[in-house]
Amino acid sequence: QSVLTQPPSVSAAPGQKVTISCSGSNFNIGNNYVSWYQQLPGTAPQLLIYENNKRSSGIPDRFSGSKSGTSATLAITGLQTGDEADYYCGTWDNSLSAGVFGGGTNLTVL
Amino acid sequence: QVQLQESGPGLVKPSQTLSLTCSVSGGSISDGVYYWSWVRQPAGKGLEWIGRLYSGGNTNYNPSLQSRVTISVDTSKNQFSLKLNSVTAADTAVYYCTRAMKFFSGMDVWGQGTTVTVSS
Repeated sequence: QSVLTQPPSVSAAPGQKVTISCSGSNFNIGNNYVSWYQQLPGTAPQLLIYENNKRSSGIPDRFSGSKSGTSATLAITGLQTGDEADYYCGTWDNSLSAGVFGGGTNLTVL
Repeated sequence: QVQLQESGPGLVKPSQTLSLTCSVSGGSISDGVYYWSWVRQPAGKGLEWIGRLYSGGNTNYNPSLQSRVTISVDTSKNQFSLKLNSVTAADTAVYYCTRAMKFFSGMDVWGQGTTVTVSS
């Protein structure tokens, strides 16, 4: 089981908005930066969001990140079929002194 | 632009040592700005952080792997390496090397990944 909790799957129609949650604790999300990664089928993960809400180079502003307390959220607006992928949140865990990831969320654009 | 490339055997026998190398191009591994990390992903499953190394030699490891893993650096070759000993089938995965920003704020460069299968 992952230290960070994400919904296994989310879905929405093209053009709509979807949010993906990432829940943790004060040992991790509550006191550290959160990052988000997109993994398209058969490829390596790609950094979308770092330091909670900063978009990585080349990432469109349809992708945004936020953090509140011990939870973080990735929002994707104007959904496109090309956004179908697995999404992971990540952060540092102070009690483990280790990096941790969420279990991943599979996005389907209907 | 920094690029990472993993290399190493694709097949390792149970109980033996998995050894992978990550070659860094387009930047110096000794710049003192980034952490150099390994992440793995079993087929059909999520990401698992293995560990990281700072250019000064400091390391952190996943507690679940700490007794078996070593990450080291060869600055003369601009490479860093992963060794995982006493492997079992559970260590079969795609292994990625990554560049991580300080404070674990994000892993901004990833290698393409290399598949390692543990089997006799």
